[in-house]
Amino acid sequence: GAGVSQSPRYKVAKRGQDVALRCDPISGHVSLFWYQQALGQGPEFLTYFQNEAQLDKSGLPSDRFFAERPEGSVSTLKIQRTQQEDSAVYLCASSLSGTSWGRARKFFGPGTRLTVL
Amino acid sequence: KQEVTQIPAALSVPEGENLVLNCSFTDSAIYNLQWFRQDPGKGLTSLLLIQSSQREQTSGRLNASLDKSSGRSTLYIAASQPGDSATYLCAVLMDSNYQLIWGAGTKLIIKP
Repeated sequence: GAGVSQSPRYKVAKRGQDVALRCDPISGHVSLFWYQQALGQGPEFLTYFQNEAQLDKSGLPSDRFFAERPEGSVSTLKIQRTQQEDSAVYLCASSLSGTSWGRARKFFGPGTRLTVL
Repeated sequence: KQEVTQIPAALSVPEGENLVLNCSFTDSAIYNLQWFRQDPGKGLTSLLLIQSSQREQTSGRLNASLDKSSGRSTLYIAASQPGDSATYLCAVLMDSNYQLIWGAGTKLIIKP
């Protein structure tokens, strides 16, 4: 596709449910990033992939958060046993850069708004 | 630890005015700085990217400046239009890693 796509766009979950958020990066983009954006705040880094390798997961807030990119393209962010504090917009970004620093311009998807009741 | 601050948090101006949005950061060891626009339900759009060695970048009615030594960047919007209404965020990429550090944004409303 022409840009980064994310699905679903909106997700409502009951506290304790597991959710899976999908990101389709721009074709050929090596680097993929996940961010969490709380209401009224800037995005916060969660994790970074270079191809299928997860090079940095230091931003994941707890072990309930898990991300994968098994074939180096589509990525899934999974949140287990969701809590109310997980409510946020989850943004995915990709960049063409093949370097481990991922310094190339990032292109963002529209985000998934997660609401945990 | 890098901290990025944007002032004001919200701004409302009449159509046609020129305006300036401010971004400040505490650690000058940045690789680049970007200005983004965020529209509800449409994600983030990169507007301008300034490398640390550059002083400014221009795109249409937008001009972004960077003063790395003082830890400041401004986004100048000329002849504002209602379609410019959005939240504007600045983000810095540090020399030391690939993580973007973001401000909380300025919500801009242009009144017709």
